[in-house]
Amino acid sequence: DAGVTQSPTHLIKTRGQQVTLRCSPKSGHDTVSWYQQALGQGPQFIFQYYEEEERQRGNFPDRFSGHQFPNYSSELNVNALLLGDSALYLCASSLKQRGYQETQYFGPGTRLLVL
Amino acid sequence: GQQLNQSPQSMFIQEGEDVSMNCTSSSIFNTWLWYKQDPGEGPVLLIALYKAGELTSNGRLTAQFGITRKDSFLNISASIPSDVGIYFCAGQPAKSGTYKYIFGTGTRLKVLA
Repeated sequence: DAGVTQSPTHLIKTRGQQVTLRCSPKSGHDTVSWYQQALGQGPQFIFQYYEEEERQRGNFPDRFSGHQFPNYSSELNVNALLLGDSALYLCASSLKQRGYQETQYFGPGTRLLVL
Repeated sequence: GQQLNQSPQSMFIQEGEDVSMNCTSSSIFNTWLWYKQDPGEGPVLLIALYKAGELTSNGRLTAQFGITRKDSFLNISASIPSDVGIYFCAGQPAKSGTYKYIFGTGTRLKVLA
């Protein structure tokens, strides 16, 4: 049973560049959430995708955008990178439930360093 | 960003000791999840709680969903060296249309053999 996978594992970019991170959900899951985790902090919610649409968004600027594909995989795009965007980016997948209680399983993350 | 109050922030314990940590908030939650994260890796789900008062075990780990729905507790019994890591609670706010989880500040656990 394949878990959540993310690519790439590490990435180095310079300020002003754009980056795309990828995520494949756990087998059988249909919902993908993205989180940003700064060093020494807990993960912060960026947004969630379900049925190829953004279902909920956290307090992140429009430079952060995403996409979900028909096979449930997802991409996170960040434009005009800032030094402060350096972080571990985590993808979590879940299965849509009646109501809002969905258990999230995380991938290994993509470590982004902006120079 | 928004984070839940988690305590203790860090702890050193002897192998074989029991460990307790908790997460508190002024808001109520529908779901509590507990994760363990090793350096450079993603959080691994330990226990999921879905109902106020619920007590759930996973091996040496036991977690409880507080009766007020504003807190949760995690206990580790008879700690071993591989319990080292950072433990995070994550709560899903009880607000219509909310799917996100808010994470705690983390408890860093170090076990002395």
